[in-house]
Amino acid sequence: EVHLEESGGGLVQPGESLRLSCAASGFSFRSYVMTWVRQAPGKGLEWVSAITGGSGFTYYADSVKGRFTISRDNSKTTLFLQINSLRAEDTAVYYCAKVGLGDDFSYNGMDVWGQGTTVTVSS
Amino acid sequence: DIQMTQSPSTLSASVGERVTITCRASQSISHWLAWYQQKPGKAPKILIYRASNLASGVPSRFSGSGSGTEFTLTISSLQPDDFATYYCQQFDNFPWTFGQGSKVEIK
Repeated sequence: EVHLEESGGGLVQPGESLRLSCAASGFSFRSYVMTWVRQAPGKGLEWVSAITGGSGFTYYADSVKGRFTISRDNSKTTLFLQINSLRAEDTAVYYCAKVGLGDDFSYNGMDVWGQGTTVTVSS
Repeated sequence: DIQMTQSPSTLSASVGERVTITCRASQSISHWLAWYQQKPGKAPKILIYRASNLASGVPSRFSGSGSGTEFTLTISSLQPDDFATYYCQQFDNFPWTFGQGSKVEIK
């Protein structure tokens, strides 16, 4: 069974750092683009970052560029999100998701999601 | 960045009704669009990928259409389990972006 499980969230003070993890199982992790999506309380979904499978190319939303770093360890089938200089507006549930691939290797949307981990930034 | 605009933001409908949600992109995204359903306190679930392809396990009452800048998600006969918030998302270009969401409520 394909499964994603996030961890690492918590209550932190403004300016602090946090590292989120997403443990993957049940699929060939290294073959897939992985992504982070967040949702602030009562708000919609916001795409945060993505990383390609083998080459590890990274992409970021403008709102997090320079503060967030996405990475992956294919040997441990784990995705990471390093968040620095946390701000109140980073308070959200953070989801990791697997990006589906078609037979032609183009993207098929985010087909598997974790349950999310909550980050609260408050003094 | 590509902006995605959904309408309506909220929709009240009855069980059995046909429901349509529209998503417009600020520039052409070909067919690189997905639709998701989210229920309170739960992770989103993919419904449609590449604008019109039904994801695995999704009931056939859901369908998607469109290309370029205008897309629709249709629920042919609304069921009690369908009351939720729906999001479109483009993956034509990074940064990927979501629409603001469309909440389907019980009438």
